[in-house]
Amino acid sequence: QKEVEQNSGPLSVPEGAIASLNCTYSDRVSQSFFWYRQYSGKSPELIMSIYSNGDKEDGRFTAQLNKASQYVSLLIRDSQPSDSATYLCAAYGNNRLAFGKGNQVVVIP
Amino acid sequence: GAVVSQHPSWVICKSGTSVKIECRSLDFQATTMFWYRQFPKQSLMLMATSNEGSKATYEQGVEKDKFLINHASLTLSTLTVTSAHPEDSSFYICSATQDRTFYGYTFGSGTRLTVV
Repeated sequence: QKEVEQNSGPLSVPEGAIASLNCTYSDRVSQSFFWYRQYSGKSPELIMSIYSNGDKEDGRFTAQLNKASQYVSLLIRDSQPSDSATYLCAAYGNNRLAFGKGNQVVVIP
Repeated sequence: GAVVSQHPSWVICKSGTSVKIECRSLDFQATTMFWYRQFPKQSLMLMATSNEGSKATYEQGVEKDKFLINHASLTLSTLTVTSAHPEDSSFYICSATQDRTFYGYTFGSGTRLTVV
């Protein structure tokens, strides 16, 4: 089992809608969780971090963490064409950061 | 905020030659730097962790004699791809953290390596 799994295929959402991304992790020692946005040909950019169970909101982004279920999610409200990118989920534990394979989001104007 | 500079942003080299990639933390001292490789449509794969003044720790399956990492100062780490081959063509990204506890890795801009 991979450390961080993002199993959804490409996600297409209309402009203004909510995009929902999910991620599971296998290592219970993981302490911190992150969502990165990566545009094609660019390096990842941190958009959200979450450390404790519950929701964390930052602008149009909301991250949710459930450590019992080993599940992290990201909601993007009022999706904009500029949100079209690949979103990487990452978990930190044991002094290393493990990434999921990413989910591509396409926002349709 | 923390800034990590990576150079060059792209490089094309002939098969069998060596290529050096630099990663610099511009406004903080990076005790630990990380090197990742990303193939098209795939996620970032950690290659090695380098700590200033000590040998790098390589992930399983990464050839340490092929991917030489030097972290001689608190602001500079280098990755040298030796005897490059076309299969080494990839996007190489470094990241740095300011202290030994995690507080949001800052990534460099990445280096696109093409070996012909």
